[in-house]
Amino acid sequence: NAGVTQTPKFRVLKTGQSMTLLCAQDMNHEYMYWYRQDPGMGLRLIHYSVGEGTTAKGEVPDGYNVSRLKKQNFLLGLESAAPSQTSVYFCASTGVQDNNYGYTFGSGTRLTVV
Amino acid sequence: GNSVTQMEGPVTLSEEAFLTINCTYTATGYPSLFWYVQYPGEGLQLLLKATKADDKGSNKGFEATYRKETTSFHLEKGSVQVSDSAVYFCALSDHTGRRALTFGSGTRLQVQP
Repeated sequence: NAGVTQTPKFRVLKTGQSMTLLCAQDMNHEYMYWYRQDPGMGLRLIHYSVGEGTTAKGEVPDGYNVSRLKKQNFLLGLESAAPSQTSVYFCASTGVQDNNYGYTFGSGTRLTVV
Repeated sequence: GNSVTQMEGPVTLSEEAFLTINCTYTATGYPSLFWYVQYPGEGLQLLLKATKADDKGSNKGFEATYRKETTSFHLEKGSVQVSDSAVYFCALSDHTGRRALTFGSGTRLQVQP
């Protein structure tokens, strides 16, 4: 009964380094999302995917790339990290058959860029 | 575009006090409305939801009514407990193809014994 699993849970990067955040879900959900959470700003949508092999930009996509090669996995990449990307990142998923929008969230990845 | 506005926090209450957290929204059409709760160090959990006008969502003593005429979805609880201390997020989904949630900025609730 894992739901949505994010790895890693914590990471410290130096400016200019790259990294990939992994989101894995075991609910056979079609829709997956990456959000960032910053103090006083709620959660903002970075990128999303409506199915395997598809991705699209959200409201704050600059500096990030994503891939959805397998239905259960949604990867978020930072090619050249910047201090402005210090944040808590949440992955979420929901299913086509869920007409009540039952989103499931991961526990988050806390990223610090120094 | 869509937007959600919540009252700013922190909200500090004594145990057993009445809670109201205001939430208003702007959206096209008829969105679904949600309240999520985030406990320290954890992800977001769905607290309650309402999918059409005049619906009342309820869970764990919390309630919120979908008011289309005032575009509001205020969260209420009659008697808060220390364990209710958390950050509460109001959110909407506008039924577009992407089904993404739009969140408010969050309201931190602190309940003192």
